[in-house]
Amino acid sequence: DAGVIQSPRHEVTEMGQEVTLRCKPISGHDYLFWYRQTMMRGLELLIYFNNNVPIDDSGMPEDRFSAKMPNASFSTLKIQPSEPRDSAVYFCASSFTGMNTEAFFGQGTRLTVV
Amino acid sequence: TQLLEQSPQFLSIQEGENLTVYCNSSSVFSSLQWYRQEPGEGPVLLVTVVTGGEVKKLKRLTFQFGDARKDSSLHITAAQPGDTGLYLCAGFYNAGNMLTFGGGTRLMVKP
Repeated sequence: DAGVIQSPRHEVTEMGQEVTLRCKPISGHDYLFWYRQTMMRGLELLIYFNNNVPIDDSGMPEDRFSAKMPNASFSTLKIQPSEPRDSAVYFCASSFTGMNTEAFFGQGTRLTVV
Repeated sequence: TQLLEQSPQFLSIQEGENLTVYCNSSSVFSSLQWYRQEPGEGPVLLVTVVTGGEVKKLKRLTFQFGDARKDSSLHITAAQPGDTGLYLCAGFYNAGNMLTFGGGTRLMVKP
C-alpha cells in the first residue's frame, strides 16, 4: 500500500478563496483523522470519522471549516472563505479499529493564505 | 490548554549526550504513544506503552509509562545527529480511537 495520500502538497491561495484539501486513507482502515499543525498550537485534531461517519468535530475552529467522507477511500477538508490565520500544515491520518492502534499519517498539505 | 504537556519544548545538545523528554497530563490515558516527525513529513510511530510502569526499549531509546498512566518519558542515550526531529507524545482519550497530541519537543543533535 502507498500509505495515506494527501493532495495537494502545497497550496497558496488568496484570502477569501475556497480551499479543498484531499485525503486517501490506507485501504481497510476505518478511522480517518484531520489534524492541523502550527508552531504556536502544535498538532490539533480537527475532526475524525469512523466508517465514513463524523464522530467528533469539536476541534473544527469555525463554520468556515467543513469535512466530508463520501466513501471509505476519500475525504475532503474544505475552508470557505479562507483567512491568513488558516495558514498551517494540514495532516490526514488513518488507522484500524482497536485499542492503541497506530495512526498512519500522510505527508501533509502546507497551506498558505495571503 | 493541551491535555498533554511536553517538556522541554526545545532541546539542543551535542552528539553523544543523553537526554530525557517528558510528557505529562492530569488525565489518565489507556495508553500513550510516542511519534517522531521529520521536516516535510508526517509523524511516525515509535512505540506504544499500555501498562502503568511499563518500560520499552528501542535501541538507544527508552520509553516509560508512569504508574498512574498520566505521564511518560523518553530517554535517549548517546544521541546522534540522526535523532534530530520533533518528538510527539499522544494519548487515546475518551475510551475510543481519538488520538490527541502533546505540543512536542524539538530536538537538535549537533555533530
